[in-house]
Amino acid sequence: DSGVTQTPKHLITATGQRVTLRCSPRSGDLSVYWYQQSLDQGLQFLIQYYNGEERAKGNILERFSAQQFPDLHSELNLSSLELGDSALYFCASSGGYTNEKLFFGSGTQLSVL
Amino acid sequence: GQQVMQIPQYQHVQEGEDFTTYCNSSTTLSNIQWYKQRPGGHPVFLIQLVKSGEVKKQKRLTFQFGEAKKNSSLHITATQTTDVGTYFCSSGSARQLTFGSGTQLTVLP
Repeated sequence: DSGVTQTPKHLITATGQRVTLRCSPRSGDLSVYWYQQSLDQGLQFLIQYYNGEERAKGNILERFSAQQFPDLHSELNLSSLELGDSALYFCASSGGYTNEKLFFGSGTQLSVL
Repeated sequence: GQQVMQIPQYQHVQEGEDFTTYCNSSTTLSNIQWYKQRPGGHPVFLIQLVKSGEVKKQKRLTFQFGEAKKNSSLHITATQTTDVGTYFCSSGSARQLTFGSGTQLTVLP
């Protein structure tokens, strides 16, 4: 158990819909990262937050947004969903400001039908 | 972020054979991390290398960071079925952590 909690584990929705993925980092970790992993693909970095502030942005679509709340949990919002958004979405956390050892949650499997 | 290329994409080995995956970059890397993702699981941190020429061992796993800090390798000696999974390298600046495409290892009993 990494200590990172992601909910829900599975999500099935239709095209055009909006969903919210939730992540609770390990106790004490201030950084939260979001990654997208499509079938047989690597891990695509989406966005990073540190202590409530957006710190880095990767290949995140404009239809996607995220935030980190004062209690340090984070949410990834995906809107106007398309079939191609179907993927495994991972949240990871780390303790520091710079990149270091990441602890990954078990992921949310999103299926857009 | 710093881009890393990983080879091979897939590797099938007979149990007991050795396995190596390589991570390469065209630019100097500040550091490199290795992760393992079991089928159906999430990535799990294995190790971080920071120094030029650094070599670290974890039981049957040997990790190396090149002298020029542009490449790294993970070598598994005498693979076991428990080694099955995808091995990712990652590196990045303080602003972004990029993962390689991974090497999917299959160990045939």
